[in-house]
Formats: sequence, structure tokens, C-alpha cells
Amino acid sequence: KAGVTQTPRYLIKTRGQQVTLSCSPISGHRSVSWYQQTPGQGLQFLFEYFSETQRNKGNFPGRFSGRQFSNSRSEMNVSTLELGDSALYLCASSLGPTGLNTEAFFGQGTRLTVV
Amino acid sequence: AQSVTQPDIHITVSEGASLELRCNYSYGATPYLFWYVQSPGQGLQLLLKYFSGDTLVQGIKGFEAEFKRSQSSFNLRKPSVHWSDAAEYFCAVVVGGATNKLIFGTGTLLAVQP
Repeated sequence: KAGVTQTPRYLIKTRGQQVTLSCSPISGHRSVSWYQQTPGQGLQFLFEYFSETQRNKGNFPGRFSGRQFSNSRSEMNVSTLELGDSALYLCASSLGPTGLNTEAFFGQGTRLTVV
Repeated sequence: AQSVTQPDIHITVSEGASLELRCNYSYGATPYLFWYVQSPGQGLQLLLKYFSGDTLVQGIKGFEAEFKRSQSSFNLRKPSVHWSDAAEYFCAVVVGGATNKLIFGTGTLLAVQP
């Protein structure tokens, strides 16, 4: 079956703009989590959605937001982009919420570059 | 706060040699434990996981890991490394509670010499 699909794979944006990233989970998976990966900070948790509800959020400013649709697809949005937002954004899907004996499967990520 | 430590930032081994990547976590209870591998510019691939039961777990690509509660460790091993194993390896834990989340270590970059 198809894996986790993230679109687009690459993005170049200008400071101050906003961006929306998309994630389609594995069929049947209802949980989607987002992570930011940078060389300096490593992998940092952004948020998790399960059944269209945000159940957990990391320590990121309000410029970072997300949502999940009824088909479990998820989007994350970053407004007023800053140079420091340049990163690989990874999406992971799992059958159930994180922690309930579930494993997370990751997409290939979206490489965001802010200039 | 809960944390995951991978003390080795970079490791170089010869092809055919054995490998052990270290991972320690700090958490009172037994967490769920994972090892992921990431090739350059790619996402993370799950190598193996530990939820409960047998403390020696087998994964894909010939990897195994052993959970040692007394040492709060979950080290990854492979008896004979192949050149294709060159990648970055991440240890991760899920800690319990109402706000479960996956916490990653800083990663170990593995280089394989011919």
C-alpha cells in the first residue's frame, strides 16, 4: 500500500510570506504528526492530530498551525516566514494516537527554504 | 524532563565490521522505544521497535536492539555492516501520559569505509 505522501517536496519562499504543506497518511491511519528537522535543533515535534483534533502541540510559536481533514489528510501552515524556518518538515502517520502501541511511519519530507 | 541521548555524533566503521550505536533515555517508567534510519534528503524509516516483552528485538536490514532497563539503554547492533548502511540513525522514545509524543535523540551519523 502507498506510504505517507508529502507535497510539495521542495519549496522556496521569501521572508514574510506564508506557506502550506500537505501530508496524506497511509490509508486507514487516523493520526498525523508533524516534525521540524534542522541541523542545529534536530528533530522537533510540532503537533499531532487525531480524528481531526489536535491532541498535542510542541513548543513552537503561533505562526505554526495545522489541521486535519475528515479523510485524515493534514496540512500545516507557517505564516510570516522567517529565515530560521528553513528546515525539512516531516509528517508521520500512525493507526492510533502516539503512545498506544502504535508506530509512526514517516514521509520523505518537504524541504522549505526561506530566502 | 524526558530526554534521549545518543552520545556518539559520528561513527566510522569498516565494511564487514560489527556496529553498536548507543542510546540512553531518562524517564521513570518504561517507554516505547524505536530506532529510525534516515538517508540524506529522505524521511525516516523504522528499523525496529520495543513495546514490551522480549528485551532483544529484531528489525529490518539485519539490525537488532536490546532494551536494558537497569541502564536505561536501547542500543542498536548489527554484526556485519554493509556500505549501504551509511546513514543517520535516530533513537526515539514515546513517554506516557495524556500528552504522548515521540522524542528523538540527536542522531548518530554512520560512515562505512570500504
